[in-house]
Amino acid sequence: DAGVTQSPTHLIKTRGQHVTLRCSPISGHKSVSWYQQVLGQGPQFIFQYYEKEERGRGNFPDRFSARQFPNYSSELNVNALLLGDSALYLCASSLGVGNQPQHFGDGTRLSIL
Amino acid sequence: AQKVTQAQTEISVVEKEDVTLDCVYETRDTTYYLFWYKQPPSGELVFLIRRNSFDEQNEISGRYSWNFQKSTSSFNFTITASQVVDSAVYFCALRDGGGSNYKLTFGKGTLLTVNP
Repeated sequence: DAGVTQSPTHLIKTRGQHVTLRCSPISGHKSVSWYQQVLGQGPQFIFQYYEKEERGRGNFPDRFSARQFPNYSSELNVNALLLGDSALYLCASSLGVGNQPQHFGDGTRLSIL
Repeated sequence: AQKVTQAQTEISVVEKEDVTLDCVYETRDTTYYLFWYKQPPSGELVFLIRRNSFDEQNEISGRYSWNFQKSTSSFNFTITASQVVDSAVYFCALRDGGGSNYKLTFGKGTLLTVNP
């Protein structure tokens, strides 16, 4: 079975642009979470979606938004990109509510010039 | 507020040595979950273990073992007879047990280098 898949793998943008990152969860998983990992740090929670509804939001500005589609895939959008948005963006999926572990994709490495 | 501290930024060992990665956590919840993830250079976070706050039994899985002590709020990870393939960044993470919030709070990670 395929794991969590993210696209694109790498992305280069300039300040002020916007970006859309995509995530497909493991088949059967209904919950998707997004994390930002800056170099040398642990991942920071951005959003969690379950059954197409936002269930959690981290301490990120409104420039960050996300949504989950009926097939449980998800998009993370970031507007008005800043240099500080350069990071590895990780998507994680889990079966749903409960205590199941989150399974992570390989991430999208976003570089802002 | 939740917090996870991994005081060891980097550890370097020689193959076959045992190594312990420390994790100390803070939470006000009585029910919570602790995790360890491995991040090889490829970037993907690989799930290693989940531990519930009400289950203090230590666990062993092959060369890996975990020591959970609520009294000291620690959840340490030991690799026995380390191998070069164990080289990676290891993250400890905490999730509160309430509701359907899946937020994981991660430590800053420990970079483990196993030299041949």
